[in-house]
Amino acid sequence: GDSVTQMEGPVTLSEEAFLTINCTYTATGYPSLFWYVQYPGEGLQLLLKATKADDKGSNKGFEATYRKETTSFHLEKGSVQVSDSAVYFCALVTGTASKLTFGTGTRLQVTL
Amino acid sequence: EPEVTQTPSHQVTQMGQEVILRCVPISNHLYFYWYRQILGQKVEFLVSFYNNEISEKSEIFDDQFSVERPDGSNFTLKIRSTKLEDSAMYFCASSGPATNTGELFFGEGSRLTVL
Repeated sequence: GDSVTQMEGPVTLSEEAFLTINCTYTATGYPSLFWYVQYPGEGLQLLLKATKADDKGSNKGFEATYRKETTSFHLEKGSVQVSDSAVYFCALVTGTASKLTFGTGTRLQVTL
Repeated sequence: EPEVTQTPSHQVTQMGQEVILRCVPISNHLYFYWYRQILGQKVEFLVSFYNNEISEKSEIFDDQFSVERPDGSNFTLKIRSTKLEDSAMYFCASSGPATNTGELFFGEGSRLTVL
């Protein structure tokens, strides 16, 4: 079956540091890939997505590139801010199904 | 901005009791979902609901679980006889009328603690 593996957290960074959160996947079909973010006290929100190989999703300074050859969708940001502190979830969906398969989530803590 | 709302935010119950978790999806959305996350584990799909019926469910969603859209605005998850292992954060989500693209809108979650 489909699965998503994310790096263990928490990740603690100083403001303006470079962020990478690794995500790899296995899927029976040709998945669409997503990063969702959950800020404290809020629901999960779609951060970015990519629907085919070599697509780059981007939003709010975050980027992730769909790498079919390495089955990866790593999340990056060049300079994190305290307001980026949240839990980040990598997810996939295959076909036209609406059932997202999530990773465990990675907590990011950014300090001044 | 429209949002999905869930109640209660936290419920504590005794094992064997019935629990109903409530959700108000975004008003023009047609697809509704329940997911759950046991502490430290992955967010897991439970069930999807479209056109007043279940469209897909996971192995977790056994006879103890049911969903209902009783009045055209609420979407509920009922657990008939809770077990300790039902303790988790339950997320409701909805998505719009377009062909599904994986863009779900989630509520803040309802934390269920079974003692």
